[in-house]
Amino acid sequence: EVQLVESGGGLVQPGGSLKLSCSVSGFTISGSAIHWVRQASGKGLEWVGRSRSEVNSYATIYAESVKGRFTISRDDSKNTAYLQMNRLKTEDSAVYYCSSWVNEVFDSWGQGTEVIVSS
Amino acid sequence: DIQMTQSPSSLSASVGDRVTITCRASQGIRNELGWYQQKAGKAPKSLIYAASILHSGVPSRFSGSGSGTEFTLTISTLQPEDIGTYYCLHHDTYLSWTFGQGTKVEIK
Repeated sequence: EVQLVESGGGLVQPGGSLKLSCSVSGFTISGSAIHWVRQASGKGLEWVGRSRSEVNSYATIYAESVKGRFTISRDDSKNTAYLQMNRLKTEDSAVYYCSSWVNEVFDSWGQGTEVIVSS
Repeated sequence: DIQMTQSPSSLSASVGDRVTITCRASQGIRNELGWYQQKAGKAPKSLIYAASILHSGVPSRFSGSGSGTEFTLTISTLQPEDIGTYYCLHHDTYLSWTFGQGTKVEIK
């Protein structure tokens, strides 16, 4: 059974940093692109960024709203992806999901981890 | 950047009704469009990809159509379990992924 489990969310002050993890079981992420998607409370889905697979050199791209502040990385040996979030703003408060992109589809999702940026 | 405009933002329909949701792209996107359903408190689930291909396990009452700039998701006969919010998603492998604003579907 495929499972993605996000962790690392919590309360952080504006300007602070947080690192989210996406631990995957049921398939090896080395061959997959992993994305992060967020959803502010009561709002729609917002794509955050993605890391491509090893064969695609782990290429990353990001939404304009997070570019230069967020970094996606991965440790394929641990079957885990990460989202490092720096210089956090109140508008970054959201539930953060990781998802695998397979054959033009967000195929599997985690349950989400909540990030609250507040003083 | 390509913008995705979804309409309506919400709708209320009766069980058995035919429901249509539209997604318009600010420029042509071929068939690089998917549809997702999200139920309250849950992660989204894929319904349709490549504009018209039904994802594995999705009931056949869901269908997608369109190409270029205008796309539709149709639920042929609305069921109580279909309540939730529906999103279109455009993907550009080298640039970005963009969701529509969402359409909340309720039962009348």
